[in-house]
Amino acid sequence: EAGVTQFPSHSVIEKGQTVTLRCDPISGHDNLYWYRRVMGKEIKFLLHFVKESKQDESGMPNNRFLAERTGGTYSTLKVQPAELEDSGVYFCASSPRAGNTIYFGEGSWLTVV
Amino acid sequence: QQQVKQSPQSLIVQKGGISIINCAYENTAFDYFPWYQQFPGKGPALLIAIRPDVSEKKEGRFTISFNKSAKQFSLHIMDSQPGDSATYFCAASTMDSSYKLIFGSGTRLLVRP
Repeated sequence: EAGVTQFPSHSVIEKGQTVTLRCDPISGHDNLYWYRRVMGKEIKFLLHFVKESKQDESGMPNNRFLAERTGGTYSTLKVQPAELEDSGVYFCASSPRAGNTIYFGEGSWLTVV
Repeated sequence: QQQVKQSPQSLIVQKGGISIINCAYENTAFDYFPWYQQFPGKGPALLIAIRPDVSEKKEGRFTISFNKSAKQFSLHIMDSQPGDSATYFCAASTMDSSYKLIFGSGTRLLVRP
């Protein structure tokens, strides 16, 4: 069974540019989460989807971040415009139901220069 | 404000030794305490988890000890092996937001042969 898949694995962009990260959850997992770990900090929750609906986006840092999950399948996280402090690793995760074990992807490393 | 404090930041143990990683939390509403293991280039993977109704949980060489009154929990790796070398994260969540894991800052464990 395929795990959580993220793309791209690494991205280097200039400050002010736009980057879109994609996540394909484990098949059949209605719950999808985005977390991130910026340099030197702990992994932090960004938001939670149940199917295509945003259940909790309390961790989104500001309005430069936009997450979508069209059709309740894959999800995208867009950063526009990117700032230096956005550099870090962005993890996508999924679970069958909230409260179940959360399975993480390998992360998308973002470097903003 | 860091809700889950993890120590040490790094740890070196000889093969066969015991690795001990400690975490302390502040929010008494936390009721789920998982430990995640992350190898380089991979995402965090659930290793073992405990709920506050028990003081200890053991799975193979990995044991979680939980002290509710002190608001502390720890991971013990018995007979540590070089293959255990990874970054370990403690985390916590509440029943009504079980998907929103609050992570510690991580411990980089190196087990020397």
